[in-house]
Amino acid sequence: DAGITQSPRHKVTETGTPVTLRCHQTENHRYMYWYRQDPGHGLRLIHYSYGVKDTDKGEVSDGYSVSRSKTEDFLLTLESATSSQTSVYFCAISASGGNIYNEQFFGPGTRLTVL
Amino acid sequence: ILNVEQSPQSLHVQEGDSTNFTCSFPSSNFYALHWYRWETAKSPEALFVMTLNGDEKKKGRISATLNTKEGYSYLYIKGSQPEDSATYLCAFIGGAGGTSYGKLTFGQGTILTVHP
Repeated sequence: DAGITQSPRHKVTETGTPVTLRCHQTENHRYMYWYRQDPGHGLRLIHYSYGVKDTDKGEVSDGYSVSRSKTEDFLLTLESATSSQTSVYFCAISASGGNIYNEQFFGPGTRLTVL
Repeated sequence: ILNVEQSPQSLHVQEGDSTNFTCSFPSSNFYALHWYRWETAKSPEALFVMTLNGDEKKKGRISATLNTKEGYSYLYIKGSQPEDSATYLCAFIGGAGGTSYGKLTFGQGTILTVHP
């Protein structure tokens, strides 16, 4: 257990509304990631962070923004939710100890449904 | 976009059978190859991290090999048990130079079902 929590765990929202998902870690890891689960694609990287206020885009970043104002929190915002953003969202940390190729630990996931 | 492919997409075996899956990835600019096990309604959990050509890793009845020159990795399960039923994901870390930031590119997964 790498001390990762995600909130909310489930959310149903309407098309066009903004949604923010939170990832919280307790172990001061530098690298954090947001993935979404898509059938036929496994997991796809949305955004990642390599430190406080240091973030960058992943493979499927359109329609998403992130912020990291504290080491322990990495927020994912859907600025205007669309039905195509219905998915399960996973946050992950790299328990790297400086080696960024080490395994990643995943949070429990947030199931988001956009109606 | 990096191309990481897994085969087969799904597999049904009987308890006690041995099985294997394939992950293919770009053979250039290789940093690491991860294998994850993902049970239904849970989060993915790491099985192996492989970084060197020729790496072989083993955990209980599960083992993996790595060939970075030809861009493939095999995952083997010996004597499959019903509790091995899960989706097995491989994920590639690569880049054209500089740091990769540990970004994973996942394959689509192999769904394994082990029947008692």
